[in-house]
Parts: sequence; structure tokens; C-alpha cells
Amino acid sequence: KNQVEQSPQSLIILEGKNCTLQCNYTVSPFSNLRWYKQDTGRGPVSLTIMTFSENTKSNGRYTATLDADTKQSSLHITASQLSDSASYICVVSNTGGFKTIFGAGTRLFVKA
Amino acid sequence: AAGVIQSPRHLIKEKRETATLKCYPIPRHDTVYWYQQGPGQDPQFLISFYEKMQSDKGSIPDRFSAQQFSDYHSELNMSSLELGDSALYFCASSVKPGTSGYEQYFGPGTRLTVT
Repeated sequence: KNQVEQSPQSLIILEGKNCTLQCNYTVSPFSNLRWYKQDTGRGPVSLTIMTFSENTKSNGRYTATLDADTKQSSLHITASQLSDSASYICVVSNTGGFKTIFGAGTRLFVKA
Repeated sequence: AAGVIQSPRHLIKEKRETATLKCYPIPRHDTVYWYQQGPGQDPQFLISFYEKMQSDKGSIPDRFSAQQFSDYHSELNMSSLELGDSALYFCASSVKPGTSGYEQYFGPGTRLTVT
């Protein structure tokens, strides 16, 4: 069964600190993995997209890693800001691409 | 840059009424996806269309139907609305998915409230 599991479910950190979010998946055959940031009541906004051959991708203070062998991905946020408070969703698609599985997300709270 | 457009942004309907949500994909995108996100829940995939044909079907209720038109915009028709249909409905678009990876771009969503 295609699944995407994220951890932790929620996370509270102080402004300026780093954090790492995890995503494990069983989607097969694998096409790509994306990390989205979603503010409450808004549509998800893409942070990174990685295909099978990519191990890491950065977007400003966001760095995503992918281990296609162990089917794990992480999103590292550096020097967190208050505006980073949001849900971070891991999304995995299969080849052919029409089946997209969303993780439940990690709710990040950044406090001053 | 042009983004995915959804209309209306907010919609209030009563039980048993019908609703139609519209989605206009990014120019040159030929694939459209519909998602439903309930309060505090992750988005659930409903249905997708590629070149005006249904390409995949998720957890879309039988009371809902959707189609993609010749200009690639899509409409989600919802009938016999129930209280549980209250949610954010997102539309996303992309170029045709392929093994090289692709990006789904999400619209701002339509907030449907059923009273």
C-alpha cells in the first residue's frame, strides 16, 4: 500500500534554531518527492522537488535530502524564523505521476 | 508568473444544495488535480484529468463529478451537499507527469461551508 509517514507530528522550536523533519514512504514505483509549506487556510507552496537520482536540494534556508534506497527524506530548516511556523507536508508521486500521496504533515511552531 | 486560479474563493451552501467549483490551470499545463482538505487534515486526492480525460480517481464521493474542458479548465460539481463536505478544496495543475519529475502547482483553494 502506498504510504507517506512524517515525523514528528508537531514541533516547537525557538527562533534562530535549526530543525529537521522526517518523511518515510512506501510509494512505488517512485517518481518524485516534494516538500510543501502550507500556512493555515492556504494552498501548499512548493519548497523542493527531488527525483530518484537526486540526494539533496536546497531552497534558501530549506535543505531536503533523499535516500531512495531506504525511502527516506528529510527537510532541514536553518536559522528558523517566526514566519516558518506552518505545516510542512511531504508528497510522493509514482511514475506516470497521476497518483500522489500526501503525508499528514509536521506542524512547526517557531517561538520568539 | 501566472498561477492556478480557483473560483469562488468562498462558498456557503445549505444541505442538499449543489455547488460548482472552478479551476483554471497555469497556461500550458494540461493536467489538473482536485483535493479536499478537511479541518486539521491532510489533503485527500479526489480526481485528476489529463488532456480532458480522467486520469486517476481517488476518494471522490459518487455525489461529486468533475470534468476538464477544451481550454483545460476544470469544474468540480458537488450535489446533495452534506455537512461533512465543508472543507477547503484545492486544485493543482502540472504538465503531464513523467518519470523525470514534475511539479504540481496549487491554487489558493475554495472554502466550502455547508450549513
